[in-house]
Amino acid sequence: DGGITQSPKYLFRKEGQNVTLSCEQNLNHDAMYWYRQDPGQGLRLIYYSQIVNDFQKGDIAEGYSVSREKKESFPLTVTSAQKNPTAFYLCASSRLPLGSNGYTFGSGTRLTVV
Amino acid sequence: DQQVKQNSPSLSVQEGRISILNCDYTNSMFDYFLWYKKYPAEGPTFLISISSIKDKNEDGRFTVFLNKSAKHLSLHIVPSQPGDSAVYFCAARATSGTYKYIFGTGTRLKVLA
Repeated sequence: DGGITQSPKYLFRKEGQNVTLSCEQNLNHDAMYWYRQDPGQGLRLIYYSQIVNDFQKGDIAEGYSVSREKKESFPLTVTSAQKNPTAFYLCASSRLPLGSNGYTFGSGTRLTVV
Repeated sequence: DQQVKQNSPSLSVQEGRISILNCDYTNSMFDYFLWYKKYPAEGPTFLISISSIKDKNEDGRFTVFLNKSAKHLSLHIVPSQPGDSAVYFCAARATSGTYKYIFGTGTRLKVLA
């Protein structure tokens, strides 16, 4: 079964630490995305990548970094520079050109800073 | 600047009745609109889409209406079922070549049994 896998489902981080969220897809999709969900703010785009070894900043990229070394993988690092990292993080993928059925989403990672 | 807006954060409907979720947008260049459904602690799942050249698309209990002159779309669920209780996001695709959808803030639907 093809799909998109995020791990871990829950993650706790101490203030000042970097943490990396994993996202893997076996859908052979070209593009991958990271979104953040906060209550009342919908889904906000952090970073996206349309091709291996290339990625673009989204609307709220500050304090985050990504890499795209393989087509299947798009890990997100939440750095200590991110002021308010506690949130629900969603990874998504899509074919290109981006079609009328949008993205396939993973099941998300809940990050909590303690 | 919020280009896609869902002004109702929540909606409660009795089981069997119609649920109407609304979405407004500001960019006339959007060419596709989608609705996603999201349960807590899960990723959104695609529900239904509509092209800007159409004014209605139907899939079972779900119908999406598009009013381009008003820059408004709505999702109708008839009849509503308790399993429909979730957060619904509308999303719009720009035609400028950036490969992304822009999401609204979501509406939490609660269907009362």
